[in-house]
Amino acid sequence: AQSVTQLDSQVPVFEEAPVELRCNYSSSVSVYLFWYVQYPNQGLQLLLKYLSGSTLVKGINGFEAEFNKSQTSFHLRKPSVHISDTAEYFCAVIPMDSSYKLIFGSGTRLLVRP
Amino acid sequence: GAVVSQHPSWVICKSGTSVKIECRSLDFQATTMFWYRQFPKQSLMLMATSNEGSKATYEQGVEKDKFLINYASLTLSTLTVTSAHPEDSSFYICSVRGGGLRTEAFFGQGTRLTVV
Repeated sequence: AQSVTQLDSQVPVFEEAPVELRCNYSSSVSVYLFWYVQYPNQGLQLLLKYLSGSTLVKGINGFEAEFNKSQTSFHLRKPSVHISDTAEYFCAVIPMDSSYKLIFGSGTRLLVRP
Repeated sequence: GAVVSQHPSWVICKSGTSVKIECRSLDFQATTMFWYRQFPKQSLMLMATSNEGSKATYEQGVEKDKFLINYASLTLSTLTVTSAHPEDSSFYICSVRGGGLRTEAFFGQGTRLTVV
């Protein structure tokens, strides 16, 4: 079985400071990796994804993530956050087994303060 | 990215009534549609998966008679919450995937259901 762990339920940070949102996964098969953002009362928007190739992936809104296979991690980073980045962030995986289901972590609320 | 339209965005209904939520893929033909339920400040819980040409596959613990899913076409899926009760109040989100298993999923804007 696969699982996704986001250890931090909430990350408070000041505006213009850097931030890292942690994501670790467990899987017996290879996975595709995703980060999604959800603003209040809205659906999810894809920030970035890792399918193959370079382990450093750049996404929208200045976010990037690095896939570390040995540590089974896919942490999300941004060098300088804005107030508008305040939202819920979900890490997700698609296992390369017969299910190909999207499995979500519990989410991390990023709270950017002025 | 693809545009997924979910309607209504919010609905309030009386206990015992049924509510239908529509999910439309506006600019591409989805091969798979998913329905999720999200409780406040929690992650998304997969309710069911609909593949092209087949009936919905429900996740364990999800009552198929309670949550009726119809995959009418490659661009339309509906979720009907039958005989709704206050505990069914939640945020429901649909998602679509097309063009292969490794492609990303696109999400609707969600429906806030409140049963009074």
